[in-house]
Amino acid sequence: AQSVAQPEDQVNVAEGNPLTVKCTYSVSGNPYLFWYVQYPNRGLQFLLKYITGDNLVKGSYGFEAEFNKSQTSFHLKKPSALVSDSALYFCAVRGSDSNYQLIWGAGTKLIIKP
Amino acid sequence: DVKVTQSSRYLVKRTGEKVFLECVQDMDHENMFWYRQDPGLGLRLIYFSYDVKMKEKGDIPEGYSVSREKKERFSLILESASTNQTSMYLCASSLRFGEQFFGPGTRLTVL
Repeated sequence: AQSVAQPEDQVNVAEGNPLTVKCTYSVSGNPYLFWYVQYPNRGLQFLLKYITGDNLVKGSYGFEAEFNKSQTSFHLKKPSALVSDSALYFCAVRGSDSNYQLIWGAGTKLIIKP
Repeated sequence: DVKVTQSSRYLVKRTGEKVFLECVQDMDHENMFWYRQDPGLGLRLIYFSYDVKMKEKGDIPEGYSVSREKKERFSLILESASTNQTSMYLCASSLRFGEQFFGPGTRLTVL
């Protein structure tokens, strides 16, 4: 069965420190991977995606993500966290032989402390 | 920029009422989606549409129906609202195999 796991419900990071939000997946075919961010009482905003090519993908607001095929992971990273990065982060995946649906992780709440 | 708009940000309805949630996108996207979001459950797909008048059930279609008469508009209908349908409803659109773009959401409360 296809699935996405975000193993941490919440991640706490001090401002200025690097942050990582973890995502692992299981899909049939090649994975198409996405990260989204949701600020309070707002819809989701697209951050970045991996389709093919370079394993390190750069996205909005200084975020990047690394695709690791052997570990079936797509962790979201940022070198230096800002308080304004505090939000809910979702990982999503679609297999290359799937229809248009995305499989969504449960979300990770990121808290950046001043 | 892609813009996805939803007809209401907040909505309060009574049990048994028929509820319409409207979603409009302005980027000529083929696909449109309706999700509900509940704390601890993430996003759950209710229905999606890959073309005008075409629809497919998602993970939790019970109690809902949809309509897509025009490419830019995708409506979610609660035929007889119940308290367990109190939730945040999110609409999204995408090109055929592209990333999804979301509207601001409608927080529906059913009393």
